[in-house]
Amino acid sequence: DIQMTQSPSSLSASVGDRVTITCRASQSISSYLNWYQQKPGKAPKLLIYVVSSLQSGVPSRFSGSGSGTDFTLTISSLQPEDFATYYCQQSYSAPYTFGQGTKLEIK
Amino acid sequence: QVQLVQSGAEVKKPGASVKVSCKASEYTFTNYYTHWVRKVPGQGLEWMGIINPSGSSPTYAQRFQDRVTMTRDTSTSTVYMELSSLRSEDTAVYYCANTRGTAAPFDYWGQGTLVTVSS
Repeated sequence: DIQMTQSPSSLSASVGDRVTITCRASQSISSYLNWYQQKPGKAPKLLIYVVSSLQSGVPSRFSGSGSGTDFTLTISSLQPEDFATYYCQQSYSAPYTFGQGTKLEIK
Repeated sequence: QVQLVQSGAEVKKPGASVKVSCKASEYTFTNYYTHWVRKVPGQGLEWMGIINPSGSSPTYAQRFQDRVTMTRDTSTSTVYMELSSLRSEDTAVYYCANTRGTAAPFDYWGQGTLVTVSS
């Protein structure tokens, strides 16, 4: 199985901050890396797919980069609605594993 | 717009089984793969398995291999996930998610079904 490791596990930041979350795969997953946002009591929401493609309707302050085994999600200027938990996920091969999540909290 | 509507919350005793449904609306049901993902309280998202558009040859995560069954009813555009031999650690919110292919991102999600396992 491909292991996905995110860092940090939690992060405190302020509105307007630039934030970066990293995700590392235990083996190369080419560009099959997706990012999701989940808020309490809600289903996950797809933000970015295949490393850097922005899902329709997602604000441009979200961006993704990376290749092979190392990937990042960047939020350029945090907004109040961005405080949530973020997950990376590989869709390269089954089982389609997720990272353990990064909880983004208000400082 | 694709919508996935899941069945309601369940409370089960240890050792019992639960069957969660996921009904699709307003799209070509037969073209989509359906995944099941769960969120245990305090833990991350866990992928459980996938069933293809024809409903044949589902693929399960190894840790659920002996306890999970995923089926598809094309007449009602509904996918089912049955988990047996429930234990307290299976208390979680279970989600279905649809994709256009096996390597595609999960762009459509159900609202989630809370399954509580308690004696």
